[in-house]
Amino acid sequence: EVQLEQSGGGLVRPGRSLRLSCAVSGFRFGDYAMGWFRQAPGKGLEWVGFIRSKPYGGTAEYAASVKGRFTISRDDSKSIAYLQMNSLKTEDTAVYYCTRENYYGSGSYAVYWGQGTLVTVSS
Amino acid sequence: EIVLTQSPGTLSLSPGERATLSCRASQSVSNAHLAWYQQKAGQAPRLLFHGPSNRATGIPDTFSVSGSGTDFTLTISRLEPEDFAVYYCQQYGDLPFTFGQGTKLEIK
Repeated sequence: EVQLEQSGGGLVRPGRSLRLSCAVSGFRFGDYAMGWFRQAPGKGLEWVGFIRSKPYGGTAEYAASVKGRFTISRDDSKSIAYLQMNSLKTEDTAVYYCTRENYYGSGSYAVYWGQGTLVTVSS
Repeated sequence: EIVLTQSPGTLSLSPGERATLSCRASQSVSNAHLAWYQQKAGQAPRLLFHGPSNRATGIPDTFSVSGSGTDFTLTISRLEPEDFAVYYCQQYGDLPFTFGQGTKLEIK
């Protein structure tokens, strides 16, 4: 059974940093891209970014709203994906979801989703 | 960036009725890389279709999709109580990947 267990959310002051983790089981982590999405309270879904698997270069792509502030990484030895969030803004307040993606060289869609973790940016 | 516009914003129907949800893109979706997700209140989204007409595991055949290019449709042929939720389309062919604003399917 595929499981994505998220951790690391919480309340943080504007300008500070936070790191989210996504520990997975039930599939070969190194074979898959991993994604991050978010949903502000009462709003729709927003793509944050994704990281390719090592066979596809292990590189990441980001939404313009987070590029330069957020970094997606992965530790294939631990089967964990990370979302490092720096210079947080109040508009980053949202439930953040990690996903297991299907990516085969063009395009990436989310097949499995974590339970979500709330990040609140407030002074 | 590709803008996806979903309509209607809210659809009020009764169990047993047919639902038709639209997703229109501001430009052609590359390689038909369009997905549909269902989200129930307080839950993570669930993949329904990708590519655009490949049904995800466990999705009943009362759900179907059609369309290409810039116009896509999700149809639920006969609504069950558990189908009332918010539905999102997403294009994943061109960066940045984008979502429509969602269609809320509510019980009439």
